Amino acid sequence: NAGVTQTPKFQVLKTGQSMTLQCAQDMNHNSMYWYRQDPGMGLRLIYYSASEGTTDKGEVPNGYNVSRLNKREFSLRLESAAPSQTSVYFCASSDPTGRNSPLHFGNGTRLTVT
Amino acid sequence: AQTVTQSQPEMSVQEAETVTLSCTYDTSESDYYLFWYKQPPSRQMILVIRQEAYKQQNATENRFSVNFQKAAKSFSLKISDSQLGDAAMYFCAYRSMDSNYQLIWGAGTKLIIKP
Repeated sequence: NAGVTQTPKFQVLKTGQSMTLQCAQDMNHNSMYWYRQDPGMGLRLIYYSASEGTTDKGEVPNGYNVSRLNKREFSLRLESAAPSQTSVYFCASSDPTGRNSPLHFGNGTRLTVT
Repeated sequence: AQTVTQSQPEMSVQEAETVTLSCTYDTSESDYYLFWYKQPPSRQMILVIRQEAYKQQNATENRFSVNFQKAAKSFSLKISDSQLGDAAMYFCAYRSMDSNYQLIWGAGTKLIIKP
């Protein structure tokens, strides 16, 4: 059972470089999310996708773009990386038919921007 | 806007003993959901337990139980018979009934288990 798969696990970028974080889930979930986790803070929502074909901004969307490629895949793109984007990024999915349904998380991507 | 506060940045407990992690939240809603997630050093976020606000009975999952005090807006996690594998960051989270998508997270509590 793969669940939610994120790639890469680690990445180092220089300021101004671009990259795409990939996420795929095999649980047939409609909703997918991208979070960032910084020391001393809870997870903060960057973008989410309620269903295939839709995306919406979360709490901290600036500097990021997303693509919901199909029901399985939801990618996060940094067009011009900045040191402030150094963080651990998590992709998650859920089946929102039950409002208490939990989020299922990937293992995270540790991104360092120098 | 809702907020979630975990006032204990770090807690430690002797193996086999009981520890309680605190979580308080601020909301004007009457119906909502609360969650505790565990994040071990592997970074994986794992659901520990969940509670529906309309249920008076406290949720339990094996050695994990909650003390849900709705009037006080408190949602503490009790871990009984602590094990070395319980060492992790623990996050409390709130979800509004109006939102399928937005979870509000606390800053986390680091739990250390002393052998």
